[in-house]
Amino acid sequence: NAGVTQTPKFRVLKTGQSMTLLCAQDMNHEYMYWYRQDPGMGLRLIHYSVGEGTTAKGEVPDGYNVSRLKKQNFLLGLESAAPSQTSVYFCASRPDRGRQNGELFFGEGSRLTVL
Amino acid sequence: RKEVEQDPGPFNVPEGATVAFNCTYSNSASQSFFWYRQDCRKEPKLLMSVYSSGNEDGRFTAQLNRASQYISLLIRDSKLSDSATYLCVVIRTQTGANNLFFGTGTRLTVIP
Repeated sequence: NAGVTQTPKFRVLKTGQSMTLLCAQDMNHEYMYWYRQDPGMGLRLIHYSVGEGTTAKGEVPDGYNVSRLKKQNFLLGLESAAPSQTSVYFCASRPDRGRQNGELFFGEGSRLTVL
Repeated sequence: RKEVEQDPGPFNVPEGATVAFNCTYSNSASQSFFWYRQDCRKEPKLLMSVYSSGNEDGRFTAQLNRASQYISLLIRDSKLSDSATYLCVVIRTQTGANNLFFGTGTRLTVIP
């Protein structure tokens, strides 16, 4: 059981380049999330999805786009990377067992450096 | 004011010591509470839920104080393997999937 898988795990970009992070989950979870984690800032929500074909903005959505064309996949895109987007990105999924369910399943993270 | 606040630490304790972390939350509508553990350069993982009456899981005890709006995590007989960052998570009663709020984490190092 793979759980939540993120690809790529590491990437170095130049300013202005674009890229897509892929998140795949095999647990049939409805909710999926993209977070970024920076030193001293904790986890900040970028975008999230409550189901196939739906996405919504989180706390820090600027500079990112997402898509959830299939229930198991949640893609995070950077159209024009900036050094401020250097971070560790975590994807997470959560079953729809009610609003009080607090168990998120995280991927291993993707370390992105923008030069 | 941040939704969830934690002392970032670091807490450096000797093996066998007892250590406690607190986490405060600002919104009284918060309903559910959790502790996550994050090892260095790894993803966060659920450690335990926090119940109103307090709950224990081996050497770990979690407590909730609704009147003062804080939760705590107590670790007894600390092991080297307990070294990690502990994240507090709060769920508010609001619609939608975006109702979880993370603290920035408290870093614990257990020293031999």
